[in-house]
This record gives sequence, C-alpha cells and structure tokens, in this order.
Amino acid sequence: SQQGEEDPQALSIQEGENATMNCSYKTSINNLQWYRQNSGRGLVHLILIRSNEREKHSGRLRVTLDTSKKSSSLLITASRAADTASYFCATDQYSGNTPLVFGKGTRLSVIA
Amino acid sequence: GAVVSQHPSRVICKSGTSVKIECRSLDFQATTMFWYRQFPKQSLMLMATSNEGSKATYEQGVEKDKFLINHASLTLSTLTVTSAHPEDSSFYICSARGPGGASGELFFGEGSRLTVL
Repeated sequence: SQQGEEDPQALSIQEGENATMNCSYKTSINNLQWYRQNSGRGLVHLILIRSNEREKHSGRLRVTLDTSKKSSSLLITASRAADTASYFCATDQYSGNTPLVFGKGTRLSVIA
Repeated sequence: GAVVSQHPSRVICKSGTSVKIECRSLDFQATTMFWYRQFPKQSLMLMATSNEGSKATYEQGVEKDKFLINHASLTLSTLTVTSAHPEDSSFYICSARGPGGASGELFFGEGSRLTVL
C-alpha cells in the first residue's frame, strides 16, 4: 500500500527556477527519504531526514519535515535540464523489518 | 556502501513462459528482502516481503501462485513470474536492509524490466 500523496503530480519549470515538491504521509515514521528516478531507470537515493530533524540540505537540495502535519517538502534550487526526472518520497517506520512505503511521485520537467 | 544487485536488468519473454529475477545482497546478509513492482508512470508498489528460510508475505491483491518468491539463502531472493502475460510487463525492484538489521539502511537493486509479448 502507498503511504500518501505527493503534489504536484507533474511540474514543469524553466531552467534556473526552483522546484518544490510536497509529500504527505499517514503513519508515524522513523525517517523519510527522497529518491529520484530517470525514465526507465532505477532509483537514486537523494537524501534522508530523520523524524527528529526539521530541515536538511545537500547541495542544491533542501528537505523539510513536519511530523505534526505528517508532511515533507523537497526543494531543488537553480534547476537544470538534467534534473528532469520523477521524484518520490518514501517513509521508513523502523517497526520491525518493514519496507519503505513510497508516495505517488512528482514528474519534474526542467525546460532549457 | 552496501550493494544489492538484480539480474537480469531486462528480459523479454513470450506469453505463457516463466521468468526468474534474482536479487542478491553482495556484501551483507539480508534475512528480509522486499519486492516492488512499478508500472509505467506510476510509483513503486510493494508486492511481497521475502523472508529467508520461510514463506514470503504477499500484499493484498498479489497472487502468490503467480509470483513465486524463494529466499533460500541470506544473500539471495528470487522472484519467478509464472505463466507471464502482457499485463505482467513491469519494472520489478528489490530492496534489502543493510547491516544493522531492522534499523539498517534500505538498499535497492537496479531493477528488472520485464516485457511479455
């Protein structure tokens, strides 16, 4: 089953602009992760934010987590055409040996 | 970091045949592995949890007799799509927890794209 929703489902921006994607989830979590997937390819792990963290940065990526609202956002600054991909959030409950549960994803298109 | 390897990365088969996909943890032991399926332009959906030495646990709506899972060793889980049909064409991805057991990081294989003609 899927944990929650991501919005927008699709996002198209110009190169150089910032892209913001949101993710909501339903259950308590230990951490939330963001992945990128190019068309027809495997997953690339971008960033992990733990439940006791509120914000995390990695290069041009900024992730926030609001556990009270059960939501997270991924911001990509100064986007590039190469950022065009699908982005998924995934939650990890750490409750026993549980799998990651993925959101529906956002398809980002960055136009040069 | 820990590595999970899948094989084959791509497979094309005729309708009615069976296809086996392997998922290996290369440098760690994984008592549990997870199998996901991803249809075009959709997200990853958990199919089943593969447990070493015991039966797999299937998600609701996934036919256990069609998607046979064998986890015979601590480093290998296999998914066999039996009597494949075109609607089984999908991207199949496995994952496993790295060292640290239930609190270890989850690692993903590169995925296997199945096309059933």
